[in-house]
Amino acid sequence: DSGVTQTPKHLITATGQRVTLRCSPRSGDLSVYWYQQSLDQGLQFLIQYYNGEERAKGNILERFSAQQFPDLHSELNLSSLELGDSALYFCASSVRQGFSGELFFGEGSRLTVL
Amino acid sequence: QQPVQSPQAVILREGEDAVINCSSSKALYSVHWYRQKHGEAPVFLMILLKGGEQKGHDKISASFNEKKQQSSLYLTASQLSYSGTYFCGTESVNDMRFGAGTRLTVKP
Repeated sequence: DSGVTQTPKHLITATGQRVTLRCSPRSGDLSVYWYQQSLDQGLQFLIQYYNGEERAKGNILERFSAQQFPDLHSELNLSSLELGDSALYFCASSVRQGFSGELFFGEGSRLTVL
Repeated sequence: QQPVQSPQAVILREGEDAVINCSSSKALYSVHWYRQKHGEAPVFLMILLKGGEQKGHDKISASFNEKKQQSSLYLTASQLSYSGTYFCGTESVNDMRFGAGTRLTVKP
């Protein structure tokens, strides 16, 4: 158990819909990172927050947005969903501000868009 | 840009050795290695920082050649528990990208 909690574990929805994925980092970790993993693909970096502020942005689509709240949990919002958005979405947390520390991954939220 | 890993897949017998390579076209601050078992989250193995450090984790070690922007993961005397997909993550400015992964299967 990494200490990172993600909900929901599974989500099935239709094209055009909007969903919200939630992540609670490990106690004491200020950084939250979101990654997308499509079938048999590597991890694509989406976005990182540190102590409530956006710190780094990767290949995140304009239809996607995220935020980190004062209690440090984070939400990833995916809107106008397309079939190609079906993937496993991982949240990771770290004590570090950047990318030089160990990332602790949650178990992921599997999104299926039909 | 995503780092390139090779090989894409490797099958070993228990006790055999393997090397997984990772290369990047960008200047790197560090290289991370993670292992992901099927249906599970990636788990951290080690970080290698600039300076050519070689680190170890049980019978798994790695090296980082910052001049060539390459890293290699060495698995010696492989065990069944080593099976999984290995990802390298390369850190550059405000970014960490992962390779597509190397699927390692260890058979009895």
